[in-house]
Amino acid sequence: EAGVAQSPRYKIIEKRQSVAFWCNPISGHATLYWYQQILGQGPKLLIQFQNNGVVDDSQLPKDRFSAERLKGVDSTLKIQPAKLEDSAVYLCASSKGRAWGYEQYFGPGTRLTVT
Amino acid sequence: TQLLEQSPQFLSIQEGENLTVYCNSSSVFSSLQWYRQEPGEGPVLLVTVVTGGEVKKLKRLTFQFGDARKDSSLHITAAQPGDTGLYLCNAGNNRKLIWGLGTSLAVNP
Repeated sequence: EAGVAQSPRYKIIEKRQSVAFWCNPISGHATLYWYQQILGQGPKLLIQFQNNGVVDDSQLPKDRFSAERLKGVDSTLKIQPAKLEDSAVYLCASSKGRAWGYEQYFGPGTRLTVT
Repeated sequence: TQLLEQSPQFLSIQEGENLTVYCNSSSVFSSLQWYRQEPGEGPVLLVTVVTGGEVKKLKRLTFQFGDARKDSSLHITAAQPGDTGLYLCNAGNNRKLIWGLGTSLAVNP
């Protein structure tokens, strides 16, 4: 089966510009996650969707970050305006269920550089 | 605040050596997972442990979940360069998923 797809793989923007990332989860996976990962560190959960509803967005900087999952399949994550500290890898993952213990399948990530 | 502390943060060893990395917390978890991440890729699941005291083996990797379900260890026997990567633990309870900061392992030929 196809894995989690993300695009673009790399993005370089200047601070105060906007950027959007796209994720296509594994078919049939109801739960979708967006993570921010600083080089060499563990992922930080930004937002978790169950179908098209938000389960957890407690760590999403809502003044500049937004995410949507229309129709409960694909998802987009947007940053507007970007700051230097947003430079990171943005990972999308999906799983069959929302509870702990389900395997999360990750995409390759989008490496964002803000200059 | 629930935290998962991983130690050591960095580890550089020679091929053939044994090593153990740890994932500790003061909280009790329903389950705990170990993932490995290679450069430029997303994390990949190695194992899920759910029962206190549980031990699981995956070839040269041995995973143990603490009796109280607050901590876990990963032991690698006879490490190989292919084991190089970032080892992450992830645990959940009360509908929250928490990630550790990871142990970066380098196995030198």
